[in-house]
Amino acid sequence: DAKTTQPPSMDCAEGRAANLPCNHSTISGNEYVYWYRQIHSQGPQYIIHGLKNNETNEMASLIITEDRKSSTLILPHATLRDTAVYYCIVRVQGAQKLVFGQGTRLTINP
Amino acid sequence: SAVISQKPSRDICQRGTSLTIQCQVDSQVTMMFWYRQQPGQSLTLIATANQGSEATYESGFVIDKFPISRPNLTFSTLTVSNMSPEDSSIYLCSVAGTVGDEKLFFGSGTQLSVL
Repeated sequence: DAKTTQPPSMDCAEGRAANLPCNHSTISGNEYVYWYRQIHSQGPQYIIHGLKNNETNEMASLIITEDRKSSTLILPHATLRDTAVYYCIVRVQGAQKLVFGQGTRLTINP
Repeated sequence: SAVISQKPSRDICQRGTSLTIQCQVDSQVTMMFWYRQQPGQSLTLIATANQGSEATYESGFVIDKFPISRPNLTFSTLTVSNMSPEDSSIYLCSVAGTVGDEKLFFGSGTQLSVL
């Protein structure tokens, strides 16, 4: 699986959009981009995933660049409960297992 | 989605002893995984628990230290053997969703402290 690079930490004000970047310059054509988050003392939680089109669900939006070498997870109206470590993972469809990097520790400030 | 129950949620153990962690899923799943999360670190995959056959271990993890059972499609155990303080971590069970659903679901983990 391709390697990802994320900033180690970010801050965002409550109510604002949180934009979390991820670089995956060695991504292959059959690899998806997944985002998970881990709130303190809990197991990771799935957020969203995509291949090349932008995706949106009830939790977040995923913007993937045209060359697929980077992506951005957007939490449109961050709340204090969004404080967590966010993991960007690239994974071949059907590979099942996930390989986690170091993630971004996002802190939402009141 | 799958609901995963892990037991125990936490434990404090003595050096040299062993602890077995249980993972129960509310539906049949094909793939089950065990992860370790050392203090302040990301998750590291220990092994894939295969139903009806031996687990598949990742580099750096061996069966003698982390024996795994998978007797059916809803249950698995991970044993941490001959523990040392370096084994103090959170151990997490994860399962793959149904075929065509690419998400993984995670249990809440077992917080293990070894004295």
